[in-house]
Amino acid sequence: EVQLVESGGGLVQPGGSLRLSCAASGFTFSNYEMNWVRQAPGRGLEWVAHISRSGSTVHFADSVKGRVTVSRDNAENSLYLQMSGLSADDTAIYYCVRDPTSHGSPQQFDYWGQGTLVAVSS
Amino acid sequence: LPVLTQPPSASALLGASIKLTCTLSSDHSTYTIEWYRQRPGRSPQYIMRVKSDGSYKKGDGIPDRFVGFSSGADRYLTISNLQSDDEAVYHCGESHTIGGQVGYVFGTGTEVTVL
Repeated sequence: EVQLVESGGGLVQPGGSLRLSCAASGFTFSNYEMNWVRQAPGRGLEWVAHISRSGSTVHFADSVKGRVTVSRDNAENSLYLQMSGLSADDTAIYYCVRDPTSHGSPQQFDYWGQGTLVAVSS
Repeated sequence: LPVLTQPPSASALLGASIKLTCTLSSDHSTYTIEWYRQRPGRSPQYIMRVKSDGSYKKGDGIPDRFVGFSSGADRYLTISNLQSDDEAVYHCGESHTIGGQVGYVFGTGTEVTVL
């Protein structure tokens, strides 16, 4: 069974930093591209970041570019999102999402984690 | 950026059918989209991918009650024999490349109520 379990969310002050983690199991992690998608409270979905299978290619939404990095450890079956310069606009549930395609860009999101909440407030 | 337009809400009777619409912006009218379902308090779930030619491919475990099709810039998801479990927000999404920049955009979602 495919499982994606996020962690690392919490309350952070404006301007602060946070590192989210996602532990993957039930599939060969290194064979899949991965993404982060977020959802602000009561709002729609917003794609945040994409990473290729090897981690050599990454893409980011304009809203987070320059403030966010995405990485992965295929040996540990883990995905990460490092965020800095956080503002209230970054308050959201952050989902770790699998992409079954191999296009080198976000294409399709077939499995989602349960999400981790990031709240930015003073 | 491309825009995906979805009606904010839709409703139908238990056991009836419902048709959800996702309209692509005119310059992306031939694009493929994906449908996702998000039940209250839950993570989104992948339903299917719908191409401009009307073909579609469902995700794991999605029942035959879910069918996709296309007409012009519109992508549809029809759900027949509506169940209470189908109450959810249905999101559509599209992958794009603009000026060498890749991305993925979602519509605002349609909240489905089963009466």
